[in-house]
Amino acid sequence: QVQLQESGPGLVKPSETLSLTCTVSGRSISSYYWSWIRQPPGKGLDWIGYIYYTGSTNYNPSLKSRVTISIDTSKNQFSLKLSSVTAADTALYYCARGRWELLRGGLEFDSWGQGTLVTVSS
Amino acid sequence: SYELTQPLSVSVALGQTARITCGGNNIGGKNVHWYQQKPGQAPVLVIYRDTNRPSGIPERFSGSNSGNTATLIIGRAQGGDEADYYCQVWDSSTGVFGGGTKLTVL
Repeated sequence: QVQLQESGPGLVKPSETLSLTCTVSGRSISSYYWSWIRQPPGKGLDWIGYIYYTGSTNYNPSLKSRVTISIDTSKNQFSLKLSSVTAADTALYYCARGRWELLRGGLEFDSWGQGTLVTVSS
Repeated sequence: SYELTQPLSVSVALGQTARITCGGNNIGGKNVHWYQQKPGQAPVLVIYRDTNRPSGIPERFSGSNSGNTATLIIGRAQGGDEADYYCQVWDSSTGVFGGGTKLTVL
């Protein structure tokens, strides 16, 4: 059974870069799509982007200019960098595994990490 | 950008059937997935591709999708079903979530 675990600083200063890592265990990262999803306190879910094990990426257009997702298959990890953060980026950040459906396209997220809270504050 | 509309809250009597809707333009032409999120926990996939249940999800959970509305149906509602429920689709290469519905079991 696959397990995902987020790690990284819980506090980031405004204008700096948020960096998180997701470690995948129980399954090789060299398949599936791997996503980051966030949830501001008391609010709903927002998809940030995904990376395929080949390194191909796709980002939410609303964040595209600030987001980079990378993958390290040798460590079974993938990472998120979000630059120029503001208080609006304060959220619970989840990593998740996505399965691609060929006929109509798109991902469903069948496994999630427990999430890590990142607060943007000076 | 594509928008999904969910009611903020739905209430259901214990043992009855709850229906949570997710509205979107021609959503019937898309795969709809549903997630359950209990307080302090990560979301869990309960229905994928409109009608499919992952292993471990009770048969009480089912889904439908047609026209401009997708529906999550929870039969014989239990107290343990109280949670936030989110629908999700894929549109123009972007993942889109509904705003979420809080289910209360009375």
